[in-house]
Amino acid sequence: DQQVKQNSPSLSVQEGRISILNCDYTNSMFDYFLWYKKYPAEGPTFLISISSIKDKNEDGRFTVFLNKSAKHLSLHIVPSQPGDSAVYFCAASNSGAGSYQLTFGKGTKLSVIP
Amino acid sequence: GAGVSQSPSNKVTEKGKDVELRCDPISGHTALYWYRQRLGQGLEFLIYFQGNSAPDKSGLPSDRFSAERTGESVSTLTIQRTQQEDSAVYLCASSFRPTNEKLFFGSGTQLSVL
Repeated sequence: DQQVKQNSPSLSVQEGRISILNCDYTNSMFDYFLWYKKYPAEGPTFLISISSIKDKNEDGRFTVFLNKSAKHLSLHIVPSQPGDSAVYFCAASNSGAGSYQLTFGKGTKLSVIP
Repeated sequence: GAGVSQSPSNKVTEKGKDVELRCDPISGHTALYWYRQRLGQGLEFLIYFQGNSAPDKSGLPSDRFSAERTGESVSTLTIQRTQQEDSAVYLCASSFRPTNEKLFFGSGTQLSVL
């Protein structure tokens, strides 16, 4: 049973436009969410995170939105650049459980076309 | 070192053999995590170490899997009697303290069981 779902395996966007990557979760105990970016043959690198007490977090070109009632979060990248081409993983955790496990989605491959 | 180091980067083995995967965390990082990513899937939590505390082994898929860590240094993940379904990228991550926030991942070990 997948608790974190990224329903779009891939996404293509023109350089300079907005990229929107979506993520849905089913576990209502999740209260902390992260996005990781992964290039081929490299480990994932942390991009941005959001706590469930917020509905938006912004860091430069990257913004994460959280809709708790819909159990949905999205990552916006604007403007998109060719170097943003990578696989993006959504991850979630239940900090209240005292556990440090992250539950990941399957990832969305973003291609930014010059 | 500058980042999390994993070895080997690639390992091909025959079904039924044992394998050992190694992880060198970032110096000073007290927490160490193992995840794996099977083809087309998200990252799955395997095990977590924090200092001398008992590890959280709740993600290990079977008793063929074990891991050790000496103090706050190197960790080894051992898979006994490997099966074809063990084929995956095994990723190690570390963090300065136990956290469900950002982790620093290594590049992983690609394990192929023939």
